[in-house]
Amino acid sequence: GEDVEQSLFLSVREGDSSVINCTYTDSSSTYLYWYKQEPGAGLQLLTYIFSNMDMKQDQRLTVLLNKKDKHLSLRIADTQTGDSAIYFCAESLFSGGYNKLIFGAGTRLAVHP
Amino acid sequence: ETGVTQTPRHLVMGMTNKKSLKCEQHLGHNAMYWYKQSAKKPLELMFVYSLEERVENNSVPSRFSPECPNSSHLFLHLHTLQPEDSALYLCASSQGFSANTEAFFGQGTRLTVV
Repeated sequence: GEDVEQSLFLSVREGDSSVINCTYTDSSSTYLYWYKQEPGAGLQLLTYIFSNMDMKQDQRLTVLLNKKDKHLSLRIADTQTGDSAIYFCAESLFSGGYNKLIFGAGTRLAVHP
Repeated sequence: ETGVTQTPRHLVMGMTNKKSLKCEQHLGHNAMYWYKQSAKKPLELMFVYSLEERVENNSVPSRFSPECPNSSHLFLHLHTLQPEDSALYLCASSQGFSANTEAFFGQGTRLTVV
């Protein structure tokens, strides 16, 4: 089946690290993505990880993938108020000759002083 | 600016109206998508077009009718909608024939059905 689950809300203090978690169900997913949505805007790709990797780091962002448990996480170091947004986890399913993205419900990150 | 433009940004329509949402991309992508974003629900994939051919229709009611006249344009025609259809409708495009493909999203059309 196709299902991606995330917790709906996370609150952190400015300067702390944020960890957003996601679980997915389809083991054939080749790529997994993190998207960010700011108020009034569409979704913007933050980072992605290929399914044969277990970690990817990109400046303040660290993605961890546990393929056995189908668990994906996004860590944001030194979280700033500008990081306040909704973060979506998505799995990429390639079938029928085209790519389809299945999204979770999104985690709303609130950063407070 | 992602290269995907949606118009209008906001739309209020009555249940008996007919309206259309428009999406345009000039990124050279060959796949285009309509997603529905409702409060507290996962992003729902509605339709997928690959090379201007509809390849997926996720049990969407017939009051939503997509159209893809060419690889750069995608429409969503709306008629006799219900208040529960109020949502943010997002268009996206990608290079659909690659296993790793970043989807580029428009800013969405905020639809309110009254």
